[in-house]
Amino acid sequence: KNQVEQSPQSLIILEGKNCTLQCNYTVSPFSNLRWYKQDTGRGPVSLTIMTFSENTKSNGRYTATLDADTKQSSLHITASQLSDSASYICVVSKAAGNKLTFGGGTRVLVKP
Amino acid sequence: ETGVTQTPRHLVMGMTNKKSLKCEQHLGHNAMYWYKQSAKKPLELMFVYNFKEQTENNSVPSRFSPECPNSSHLFLHLHTLQPEDSALYLCASSQDSTSGSTDTQYFGPGTRLTVL
Repeated sequence: KNQVEQSPQSLIILEGKNCTLQCNYTVSPFSNLRWYKQDTGRGPVSLTIMTFSENTKSNGRYTATLDADTKQSSLHITASQLSDSASYICVVSKAAGNKLTFGGGTRVLVKP
Repeated sequence: ETGVTQTPRHLVMGMTNKKSLKCEQHLGHNAMYWYKQSAKKPLELMFVYNFKEQTENNSVPSRFSPECPNSSHLFLHLHTLQPEDSALYLCASSQDSTSGSTDTQYFGPGTRLTVL
């Protein structure tokens, strides 16, 4: 069964600190992995997308890594800001058909 | 803003009501999607339209009826819903649902639906 599991479910960090979110998947055959940020009451917004051959990709203070061998990805947030408070969703695309499988998300709360 | 708008943003309806959700994209995309997001559950794909043709129906109950009159507009008609249908309904669009798997989907803000 194609699944995407994210951990932790939620975390609280102090402003200015770093944090790392995890994503494990079993989707096969793999095409690409995306991280989305979803603010409360809004739709998800794409942060990064990585294909099989890419190990890391950055978008400002967000850095995603991908290990296609172990089927793991991480999203690292550097020097967190209050505006980083949101849910972060890992989405894996299956090759052939572009079918997306969504993780349950990690809810991040940044406190001053 | 992502270029995808949804109306209404909030909707409360009784189980016997009929209502419609509207989505419009201003990105020149050819594919549009409906998703359901329930509390503490991953997003669930409901329907996919590509060039106005429905290409996917993810076993959605018939009380949800989509309509795509053109590539820029997508509707979700609701009738005789159940309280468990209460959720955030998200619309998304992308260039083409079959053009390649790196095709990014752009989401609207969603409609928060409450069924009493």
